[in-house]
Amino acid sequence: KAGVTQTPRYLIKTRGQQVTLSCSPISGHRSVSWYQQTPGQGLQFLFEYFSETQRNKGNFPGRFSGRQFSNSRSEMNVSTLELGDSALYLCASSLQRGDTDTQYFGPGTRLTVL
Amino acid sequence: QKEVEQNSGPLSVPEGAIASLNCTYSDRGSQSFFWYRQYSGKSPELIMSIYSNGDKEDGRFTAQLNKASQYVSLLIRDSQPSDSATYLCAVSDNQFYFGTGTSLTVIP
Repeated sequence: KAGVTQTPRYLIKTRGQQVTLSCSPISGHRSVSWYQQTPGQGLQFLFEYFSETQRNKGNFPGRFSGRQFSNSRSEMNVSTLELGDSALYLCASSLQRGDTDTQYFGPGTRLTVL
Repeated sequence: QKEVEQNSGPLSVPEGAIASLNCTYSDRGSQSFFWYRQYSGKSPELIMSIYSNGDKEDGRFTAQLNKASQYVSLLIRDSQPSDSATYLCAVSDNQFYFGTGTSLTVIP
């Protein structure tokens, strides 16, 4: 079974731009969670989608948004990019609820904001 | 703010020794506990999950959970250089909370 895929793998943007990241979960998985990983803060939870509905949201500003499609694929959008948004963005999928089921991570998208 | 604390390390052990990684968490309502391994430049991969008090063994890995002490640990027996990585503790109630990870180096 194919794993979690994320595109693109690398992105370079400038301040003020916006970016959209994509995640395709493991086939059959209904939950997709997004995380930001930085050296200083570790893994920070952004949000979780389950059956096209946002089920949980972390403590990030409204510039960070997401959605999930009927095929469980998910996108994350960051508007008005800031230098501090440079990070590895990880997507994780789980079969059912993302809070109790094992999460399987994708390879991540490395975002650099200049 | 729910917290998951790990000693950042680095923790160095000789090859063949037992590596002991520790994690404490603040939320008594946490129900699910996970250990992930992350190699440099890679994404986290699941090693163990544990849900009830006591020990759970899987090969060279043993997870230990003590909910009363709000403590979860991971023991790696017969450590190998390939075990050198950052180990992330994750705790879940309604969402996942990750520790910042412990860097482990196994010295040949």
